[in-house]
Amino acid sequence: RKEVEQDPGPFNVPEGATVAFNCTYSNSASQSFFWYRQDCRKEPKLLMSVYSSGNEDGRFTAQLNRASQYISLLIRDSKLSDSATYLCVVISGGGDKIIFGKGTRLHILP
Amino acid sequence: DGGITQSPKYLFRKEGQNVTLSCEQNLNHDAMYWYRQDPGQGLRLIYYSQIVNDFQKGDIAEGYSVSREKKESFPLTVTSAQKNPTAFYLCASSIAGGALSYEQYFGPGTRLTVT
Repeated sequence: RKEVEQDPGPFNVPEGATVAFNCTYSNSASQSFFWYRQDCRKEPKLLMSVYSSGNEDGRFTAQLNRASQYISLLIRDSKLSDSATYLCVVISGGGDKIIFGKGTRLHILP
Repeated sequence: DGGITQSPKYLFRKEGQNVTLSCEQNLNHDAMYWYRQDPGQGLRLIYYSQIVNDFQKGDIAEGYSVSREKKESFPLTVTSAQKNPTAFYLCASSIAGGALSYEQYFGPGTRLTVT
């Protein structure tokens, strides 16, 4: 199993729809998790941290499932501007191991 | 206006030359990082530094060197020993300590092309 794995997509979703994707990780001792978004040829930008209790920021909800070793990102009422690549990040080893997923490409269709 | 700056945005070099990429931050962050990103790949950690005058190798440090003489600056040198230097190089910083220490903020990146 790869250390961090994401479905590369692309996910083509109509505007206004709800979309969700997961990121699986192999190290059960991983302690911190994040979602970033990256626009084409730009730097990644922090979207949200993923807490054990889950967290919500507007239309975005992040969840952590430690038993099944994955994190998820749900986007409600998707906008054209949500089109981007979404990267998950998993931190383990006391912070010495930082693993980025390869990203999931999302296209919101008008 | 706080942030991370990287320059230049595009850099072209001939094979066999060393090249230094700059990264400056005025966020007062203790930790700084260097990553490279290749097409269709995730970011891979090259080096990181949690405090001035100290740094650690990441997963792909071979062929690279760094220095951390000032809190604000973390330059990366791509040496001629790096076999495939053409890539998108990203610098990031974060507050050290606690759960927030890994919320990283990225600079705009430098696209290095070596021919």
